[in-house]
Amino acid sequence: VQLVQSGAEVKKSGESLKISCKGSGYSFTSYWIGWVRQMPGKGLEWMGIIYPGDSDTRYSPSFQGRITISVDKSIRTAYLQWNSLETSDTAMYYCARFHEWELLRTAFDIWGPGTVVTVSS
Amino acid sequence: SSELTQDPAVSVALGQTVRITCLGDSLRTYSPTWYQQKPGQAPLLVIYHKNDRPSGIPDRFSGSSSGNTASLTITGAQAEDAADYYCSSRDSSGYHLVFGGGTKLTVL
Repeated sequence: VQLVQSGAEVKKSGESLKISCKGSGYSFTSYWIGWVRQMPGKGLEWMGIIYPGDSDTRYSPSFQGRITISVDKSIRTAYLQWNSLETSDTAMYYCARFHEWELLRTAFDIWGPGTVVTVSS
Repeated sequence: SSELTQDPAVSVALGQTVRITCLGDSLRTYSPTWYQQKPGQAPLLVIYHKNDRPSGIPDRFSGSSSGNTASLTITGAQAEDAADYYCSSRDSSGYHLVFGGGTKLTVL
């Protein structure tokens, strides 16, 4: 079971970007995939989550409107997308599998290695 | 700002017991989860649903929760336990997830 993320990106502010997260070794459509931001030297921030089975998506209020989370279940891949990057988007971005053992027994149990995104002005 | 509050830093002597706490109103309803993150690495799940441990996590790690407070306890801390620890749960609406600000654990 693993999540493989796309490589590091260097972009300029105003540019668009789409990074990916490919799952393998498990039933991809049966588990939510979440995205987590970690700015340099800072803590973890939950951005949003998508269910590959039906593309149901939820966004953190802090990120709603600035990002788009999508999925292509035919290739077992989730995406995180920006239409117009800002320098403040410079961060490490992790995808993680959200395991629901029971209604309240849930956690991100598998994490990708992260994608570094650097945005310059 | 995070709806879950953690002490920024905690230290423990090698082999001693340390408790890392997480405060938040949503913890009265939703179970806490704990992640360990070492420098340059992705986070690692260490405790979920108050006190369940994934396979491979040493039994010196345990969790508890009461009211608005969740705790991660390391009994007999080892040098390799030095890391950042994050609690997580759902927010008050139950619709979103949230992380605490993280606690940097130093093992002396």
